Amino acid sequence: EVQLVESGGGLVKPGGSLRLSCAASGFSFSDYGMRWVRQAPGKGLEWVSSISSTGTYINYADSVKGRFIISRDNGENSLYLQMNSLRAEDTAVYYCAKGPYDSSIRGYFDYWGQGTLVTVSS
Amino acid sequence: SYVLTQPPSVSVAPGKTARITCGGNNIGSEGVHWYQQKPGQAPVVVIYYDSDRPSGIPERFSGSNSGNTATLTISRVEAGDEADYYCQVWDSTSDHYVFGPGTKVTVL
Repeated sequence: EVQLVESGGGLVKPGGSLRLSCAASGFSFSDYGMRWVRQAPGKGLEWVSSISSTGTYINYADSVKGRFIISRDNGENSLYLQMNSLRAEDTAVYYCAKGPYDSSIRGYFDYWGQGTLVTVSS
Repeated sequence: SYVLTQPPSVSVAPGKTARITCGGNNIGSEGVHWYQQKPGQAPVVVIYYDSDRPSGIPERFSGSNSGNTATLTISRVEAGDEADYYCQVWDSTSDHYVFGPGTKVTVL
């Protein structure tokens, strides 16, 4: 059974940093592209970033480019999101999601974690 | 940037058919995908690549795509289908994933 478990969320001040983690199990993690998607309170889904299976190819939404860094450790079956220069509008539940193949691009999100809440407030 | 449109809400009586549209310029040249999200839960894919259904998703869920509009159809609607539904595409121009704004389905 595919499992994705996010951690690392919490309350952070504007301008601060936070690192999210996603522990994956139940599939061959190193064979699949992974993504982060967020959802602000009461709002819709917003794609944040994607990474290919090897970590070679990475994409970011315009809203986070230059502030967030996605990475992965295939030996640890883990996905990460380093979030810097956080703003109030980054407040959201952050979901880790698996892609259906090795690429960082195209396709859809076939499995999702339960999410971790990030609150940016002074 | 690429924009998808969805009706904010759809209401349907139990046993009837709900149709949720997703509009966009030449939508789905790379396929349209649909997610169901119930309150307090993570999204679940119900249709991928326009009309494919993942294992475990009831046959009552179907999808189609023509021209500038994709449609998610829920037949014989049940109370448990009440949820938010989002369409999603890959925009090859920007190399971004794009989600629609979501449609809240209410079962009367």
